[in-house]
Amino acid sequence: DAKTTQPPSMDCAEGRAANLPCNHSTISGNEYVYWYRQIHSQGPQYIIHGLKNNETNEMASLIITEDRKSSTLILPHATLRDTAVYYCIVKNSNSGYALNFGKGTSLLVTP
Amino acid sequence: DTAVSQTPKYLVTQMGNDKSIKCEQNLGHDTMYWYKQDSKKFLKIMFSYNNKELIINETVPNRFSPKSPDKAHLNLHINSLELGDSAVYFCASSRDIYGYTFGSGTRLTVV
Repeated sequence: DAKTTQPPSMDCAEGRAANLPCNHSTISGNEYVYWYRQIHSQGPQYIIHGLKNNETNEMASLIITEDRKSSTLILPHATLRDTAVYYCIVKNSNSGYALNFGKGTSLLVTP
Repeated sequence: DTAVSQTPKYLVTQMGNDKSIKCEQNLGHDTMYWYKQDSKKFLKIMFSYNNKELIINETVPNRFSPKSPDKAHLNLHINSLELGDSAVYFCASSRDIYGYTFGSGTRLTVV
């Protein structure tokens, strides 16, 4: 699976949009981009995933660049409960390969 | 209602003991996983398993063994526990390309 690079930490004011970047310059054609988050000591939580088109769900939006070498997770109106470690993971569609979590971005949402 | 449930939530045991952690999913997923999160908060895949294939992370000691009585269960057996096995263990499940669902974790402390 392709490697990803994320900033180690970011801050965001409550109510503002949080834009979390991820570089995955070695991504290949059959690899999806997944985003997860882990709040404190809870189990990781799936947020969103995409292949090449932008995606949106009730939690977030995922913007993937046309060359697919980077993506941005957008939390449109961050709340204090969005404080968590966010992981960007690239994985191929073969279900035999598990998600490999990197270090992620620690997002702190401040009042 | 819980999609992926793990028991016990906490486990304190002495070195040298053998213990098991149970995991059950009611999502109808076909693949299940065990992850280990150490004190540095890195999440590492230990095993992935479906009814066809067990994939083992080669760095996992053979004291750890997954046991799957059926598609909805993947238990983790650990023999001869060591201090370094202290960690939070997460079970997860998935189907095809869709996101993983994680359990809430089992905090294992070896004394």
